[in-house]
Amino acid sequence: GAGVSQTPSNKVTEKGKYVELRCDPISGHTALYWYRQSLGQGPEFLIYFQGTGAADDSGLPNDRFFAVRPEGSVSTLKIQRTERGDSAVYLCASSFISGSGADTQYFGPGTRLTVL
Amino acid sequence: AQSVTQLDSHVSVSEGTPVLLRCNYSSSYSPSLFWYVQHPNKGLQLLLKYTSAATLVKGINGFEAEFKKSETSFHLTKPSAHMSDAAEYFCVVLGTYKYIFGTGTRLKVLA
Repeated sequence: GAGVSQTPSNKVTEKGKYVELRCDPISGHTALYWYRQSLGQGPEFLIYFQGTGAADDSGLPNDRFFAVRPEGSVSTLKIQRTERGDSAVYLCASSFISGSGADTQYFGPGTRLTVL
Repeated sequence: AQSVTQLDSHVSVSEGTPVLLRCNYSSSYSPSLFWYVQHPNKGLQLLLKYTSAATLVKGINGFEAEFKKSETSFHLTKPSAHMSDAAEYFCVVLGTYKYIFGTGTRLKVLA
């Protein structure tokens, strides 16, 4: 079946530009997560959506980062005034939320963002 | 707060020999623990998960892990390494909905 998809797979931009990264979760998954993986590091949590609302955005590094999920399915991570330090692989994951809590998260292939 | 520590950043083994990737966890309650594998330029793939059922968890591709509460460990093992096992491995603990990743262990398999 279809997994989590992310577009674009690679994005190169210049410092100061605006970028949008898209995530299509597995159909029926109500929870969606964004993580950021810097070179040589483990992924770090950015934001979690339950349905359309951001249930936890404590991992967003600053107000240049914003994410939306207007219809409870596709999500877009938006980065304003990009900086070289934003260069990383941005990972999206989705899961069911069962009665016992969060289920296994399934990850997309990621978007590699390079800020020149 | 939950956290995991992967004790080795790099592990090298010969093909056909056992694999041991070490992970210690810290949690204020009974944790949910996972191992994921990441091949170069590929997405994260779930190997196995522990959610307070059997302490010995079997995963895909011959991997298994044992939850040891007394040692706060969740080490990943495989009896015989294959060249295709060369990858980055992440130990993960579930926080409040979000995953908390270790820093990863890069496994190298020598022919």
